[in-house]
Amino acid sequence: GEDVEQSLFLSVREGDSSVINCTYTDSSSTYLYWYKQEPGAGLQLLTYIFSNMDMKQDQRLTVLLNKKDKHLSLRIADTQTGDSAIYFCAESGGSQGNLIFGKGTKLSVKP
Amino acid sequence: EAQVTQNPRYLITVTGKKLTVTCSQNMNHEYMSWYRQDPGLGLRQIYYSMNVEVTDKGDVPEGYKVSRKEKRNFPLILESPSPNQTSLYFCASSLMGREPGELFFGEGSRLTVL
Repeated sequence: GEDVEQSLFLSVREGDSSVINCTYTDSSSTYLYWYKQEPGAGLQLLTYIFSNMDMKQDQRLTVLLNKKDKHLSLRIADTQTGDSAIYFCAESGGSQGNLIFGKGTKLSVKP
Repeated sequence: EAQVTQNPRYLITVTGKKLTVTCSQNMNHEYMSWYRQDPGLGLRQIYYSMNVEVTDKGDVPEGYKVSRKEKRNFPLILESPSPNQTSLYFCASSLMGREPGELFFGEGSRLTVL
């Protein structure tokens, strides 16, 4: 069945770049998403990429998509302590609105 | 302000005592969904609804019920809670038929079953 995999933890120093990786299985996904969950809060959409794109840049965020390898990554440039959160990769499921989420990567930013 | 509101935010209860977690959205979204979040397991979908009176099981529906009598509300019912239902629960909603779809999440309801 559909599955989304991502590593559970990432620790970086403030000012460094963070790269969070994700692999997915459903090649028919039209969009792939990154959601951010700050401590004590619900998830919020951070960014997304259309499946026929290779890259999308939005300020400090860069999303790379390798459709052949079904690999998605999120790069955060100049990582700040405020970027500490759990980041979820998600792909569009079969039914409209059903997203398949990865387990989430907890990003810790050390000063 | 556009939002998804869940209540209660925190609840401690005992095994077998029926409880309902309410969810309401003010964005006229057709799609609503319940998830539970557990350490190491990520988000798992419990039930979802694509419109009024239309509900479907997600990945982990056992021990839960839902109803969708009105578009804005999607309560989660635990008829006889058990300790393995101790978890952080999230309600989410989105518009149907639009891509990219954005799911809007509530702030979560932390449930402890003793």
